[in-house]
Amino acid sequence: AQTVTQSQPEMSVQEAETVTLSCTYDTSESDYYLFWYKQPPSRQMILVIRQEAYKQQNATENRFSVNFQKAAKSFSLKISDSQLGDAAMYFCAFLRGSNYKLTFGKGTLLTVNP
Amino acid sequence: DGGITQSPKYLFRKEGQNVTLSCEQNLNHDAMYWYRQDPGQGLRLIYYSQIVNDFQKGDIAEGYSVSREKKESFPLTVTSAQKNPTAFYLCASSTYAQETQYFGPGTRLLVL
Repeated sequence: AQTVTQSQPEMSVQEAETVTLSCTYDTSESDYYLFWYKQPPSRQMILVIRQEAYKQQNATENRFSVNFQKAAKSFSLKISDSQLGDAAMYFCAFLRGSNYKLTFGKGTLLTVNP
Repeated sequence: DGGITQSPKYLFRKEGQNVTLSCEQNLNHDAMYWYRQDPGQGLRLIYYSQIVNDFQKGDIAEGYSVSREKKESFPLTVTSAQKNPTAFYLCASSTYAQETQYFGPGTRLLVL
């Protein structure tokens, strides 16, 4: 079974600074996908970024980028120029290529200080 | 606007009562999912459906039932057999497997 570990229950960052959230996963699969979702106080899950395991290039979406280390099974999220609206719970998630089920980590609560 | 809607936003269940949570999508997605979120936890899969009139159990299906009579709709019933139903329930959809899942706004279920 796949497992996803987020070792930082809480993180904080100053507005306009950069923060990195960590995620590791355990799988024997070679075909899979990784995601970061954001859950603000409204509790709706919002997709931040997606990475296909077969792609060597790290995914980027505006101020959000990932550092995907396949051999180390690591998938960290970097948020640049942090904004107050980035404050939320962030979840790392794993999707096996032949499966529909998303496996989630327990989340990292990010606080952005003005 | 395309999206996923869930209703109601809050739902109260009495002991021994079955309640149904609604999930509708107009994204023309084939696959739909129900997840449960407990405090301090990530999401856990209850049921999923790849096509109309077909669905499969997830990790925590006991005490829940679903139907998929229409592509757009995937209602979840929390039965009296579910002894600890208090949680936040999220519905999601995707075009097909390996595609990104998009989530609705969720339903908070509380037991009276």
